[in-house]
Amino acid sequence: NAGVMQNPRHLVRRRGQEARLRCSPMKGHSHVYWYRQLPEEGLKFMVYLQKENIIDESGMPKERFSAEFPKEGPSILRIQQVVRGDSAAYFCASSDLVQTQYFGPGTRLLVL
Amino acid sequence: AQSVTQPDIHITVSEGASLELRCNYSYGATPYLFWYVQSPGQGLQLLLKYFSGDTLVQGIKGFEAEFKRSQSSFNLRKPSVHWSDAAEYFCAVVDTNAGKSTFGDGTTLTVKP
Repeated sequence: NAGVMQNPRHLVRRRGQEARLRCSPMKGHSHVYWYRQLPEEGLKFMVYLQKENIIDESGMPKERFSAEFPKEGPSILRIQQVVRGDSAAYFCASSDLVQTQYFGPGTRLLVL
Repeated sequence: AQSVTQPDIHITVSEGASLELRCNYSYGATPYLFWYVQSPGQGLQLLLKYFSGDTLVQGIKGFEAEFKRSQSSFNLRKPSVHWSDAAEYFCAVVDTNAGKSTFGDGTTLTVKP
């Protein structure tokens, strides 16, 4: 049973470009969570999704950030018009119920 | 609102020595508590978790943690540290209603030979 998969593992963007981060949950998991880790900091919750629904987006910045978890395919975290402050590691986690979350390896975004 | 505090930013221990990493939480109900370990450039690996029942939980790699409701603590322990344990450790509490996890800022463990 493959774990949580994220791609790309590393992503470089120039200021103003768009970044798309993908997350495939563990088989059988229908809950997906996105977290951001800034350098030298802990993980901060961004958004919690179930299939086709956003359950909690209280941690998402008000602008430029969006997330989806379609009926088919991976969950996508989209950052429009990236700025240098968006440089961070973005982690996805999945769970089967609202309990144990299993984390992917992360996508490290660097904005030049 | 829930919160997690890891008072120690950085801890150094000698290989073979015992280890205790502190974690204090704030949560209105019975919490779901977790410890994760992160090696540089890697994702988070689950070490152990507490939901209910026995307050002393065993995890992988020889780690254990004890839930103490009266102290709002969930400290991580290991009797004898190995060089490979050097990493960053995160304590987390899950909001059982909303699903999101709140993490502490982490404790970086250095192991001296």
